[in-house]
Amino acid sequence: DTGVSQDPRHKITKRGQNVTFRCDPISEHNRLYWYRQTLGQGPEFLTYFQNEAQLEKSRLLSDRFSAERPKGSFSTLEIQRTEQGDSAMYLCASSDPTGGEGEQYFGPGTRLTVT
Amino acid sequence: GQNIDQPTEMTATEGAIVQINCTYQTSGFNGLFWYQQHAGEAPTFLSYNVLDGLEEKGRFSSFLSRSKGYSYLLLKELQMKDSASYLCAVRGANYGQNFVFGPGTRLSVLP
Repeated sequence: DTGVSQDPRHKITKRGQNVTFRCDPISEHNRLYWYRQTLGQGPEFLTYFQNEAQLEKSRLLSDRFSAERPKGSFSTLEIQRTEQGDSAMYLCASSDPTGGEGEQYFGPGTRLTVT
Repeated sequence: GQNIDQPTEMTATEGAIVQINCTYQTSGFNGLFWYQQHAGEAPTFLSYNVLDGLEEKGRFSSFLSRSKGYSYLLLKELQMKDSASYLCAVRGANYGQNFVFGPGTRLSVLP
């Protein structure tokens, strides 16, 4: 399968703990996005990478959130000192600006539950 | 600021046609996308419009009017498997930067 993959698929953690999620994009895609989605809402943009450069971060992203893409391939999203309000589905997407219309391909998501 | 509006829910009958509307107000525009999302799954790409007019892809068509900040997704010959949320998303003026998604329209197809 050459689609976008995410790990883990589910994560349950206690409030105050740190969590890290991983995303492996489609190999030839140089753009990678992180989104958060809560029930009944559309995905909310968190951050965006072009290769290894983080080009944009949402103003809604608190300093407890950090993302990296060290070699321009996979990416990690870390949430420190988790809060119950962080419970959501975290989606990763990748795109190829030179192919198609630059549409995004989404991974299956990581569902985070903070207890 | 950026704002995208869609109806929250719609219901239609199998075999019918349904139109899902999307209105947007964004600081820049470089394309409008429609995605389908089944419950518990990731969004999948359906269609793209950057110029005014209608784009057709099989049972799905999407229309754009940039001057009105308006788009619609038309689904024909509805099938039960079309029951899903439909997300409208606008790409900003700087190509490759963030997409802004609407809240989604949850479509229920009834037999």
